[in-house]
Amino acid sequence: NAGVTQTPKFQVLKTGQSMTLQCAQDMNHEYMSWYRQDPGMGLRLIHYSVGAGITDQGEVPNGYNVSRSTTEDFPLRLLSAAPSQTSVYFCASSTGGSAKNIQYFGAGTRLSVL
Amino acid sequence: GNSVTQMEGPVTLSEEAFLTINCTYTATGYPSLFWYVQYPGEGLQLLLKATKADDKGSNKGFEATYRKETTSFHLEKGSVQVSDSAVYFCALTGGNQFYFGTGTSLTVIP
Repeated sequence: NAGVTQTPKFQVLKTGQSMTLQCAQDMNHEYMSWYRQDPGMGLRLIHYSVGAGITDQGEVPNGYNVSRSTTEDFPLRLLSAAPSQTSVYFCASSTGGSAKNIQYFGAGTRLSVL
Repeated sequence: GNSVTQMEGPVTLSEEAFLTINCTYTATGYPSLFWYVQYPGEGLQLLLKATKADDKGSNKGFEATYRKETTSFHLEKGSVQVSDSAVYFCALTGGNQFYFGTGTSLTVIP
């Protein structure tokens, strides 16, 4: 099983550029989420989705957009990258419509914004 | 609101030493509690979980007990190995969201 697949693994952007971080899962999970991981901050939730067509904001949503047109995919868009968005980004998915179940994480995307 | 506080690291232990990583939480309602582990260069993976008070989660020699009276979920292992070197995250669920602690880095030396 592929599980949760994130692409790219590494990315360097210039301030103001846009890009999309891809996340796909093949486990038919309803719940998907995006986190950023920063030193000393742990993981902070950016956006999440409880099913196709439904998204909601997490703790740190500013500067990021998401959509969920299919069960499998949950892309994260940076419309105008800023140095403060330099981080490691993780996508995760879980069964059911609740985050109470086990979350499965992708390997991460390391993003640098210059 | 919901939050998780875990002991700061880094923690360095000799092989076969006893490990405790403290975790306390603040939550509304009755959350489920988790420990996740992150090995270098990888995403997080579930280590163990507990869904109600007095439950004990266990896996790979690690244990943690859901203590509602002290709002704690401390991680313990009786004898650590070099392969246990990783970052450990305590987490809880609240509504549709997960809340993670800041992580504790563990290094086990031979």
